[in-house]
Amino acid sequence: NAGVTQTPKFQVLKTGQSMTLQCAQDMNHEYMSWYRQDPGMGLRLIHYSVGAGITDQGEVPNGYNVSRSTTEDFPLRLLSAAPSQTSVYFCASRGDRNSPLHFGNGTRLTVT
Amino acid sequence: KQEVTQIPAALSVPEGENLVLNCSFTDSAIYNLQWFRQDPGKGLTSLLLIQSSQREQTSGRLNASLDKSSGRSTLYIAASQPGDSATYLCAAALMDSSYKLIFGSGTRLLVRP
Repeated sequence: NAGVTQTPKFQVLKTGQSMTLQCAQDMNHEYMSWYRQDPGMGLRLIHYSVGAGITDQGEVPNGYNVSRSTTEDFPLRLLSAAPSQTSVYFCASRGDRNSPLHFGNGTRLTVT
Repeated sequence: KQEVTQIPAALSVPEGENLVLNCSFTDSAIYNLQWFRQDPGKGLTSLLLIQSSQREQTSGRLNASLDKSSGRSTLYIAASQPGDSATYLCAAALMDSSYKLIFGSGTRLLVRP
């Protein structure tokens, strides 16, 4: 059972480039989410989804897009990378609101 | 706006000591509260989840308590071991949007052999 899988593990982008961070889970979880983790600021919610075809904004959604075409996958798209988006990005999923949240191992993104 | 605070930011204890990590939240209307462990370069691992109707949860040497009226949760670690060294984070799920978790900044724990 792989759990939550994120790719790539590391990525370096130049300002203005776009890319997609991949997230897949094999636990048939309805809820999936993206967080960014920055030193001294904890984890902040970017976008989340409560099922295929349903997405909503979190605390810091600007500069990011998401879609949820299947239960398993929840990609995060950076439209035009900025140095302020340098961070560690985590994808997480849970079965329902009473269940624990499962995290992937993260993607470390550097924007120069 | 819900804010979650964890104090201290870092803690160093000798092996074998019992210790308490603190988590406070500003809005008592939470759906549940979760404690996580994060090892360097890794994702978060869920340790304990306490529903708003519960007062505590236990797993092995770990015990988490929840006091909504005072806006506090504590994580008690008994007989600490060097392998417990990690960052511990708490996160509160909002009552009006229980899928959204608000995280504290974490307590970095070092257990010295």
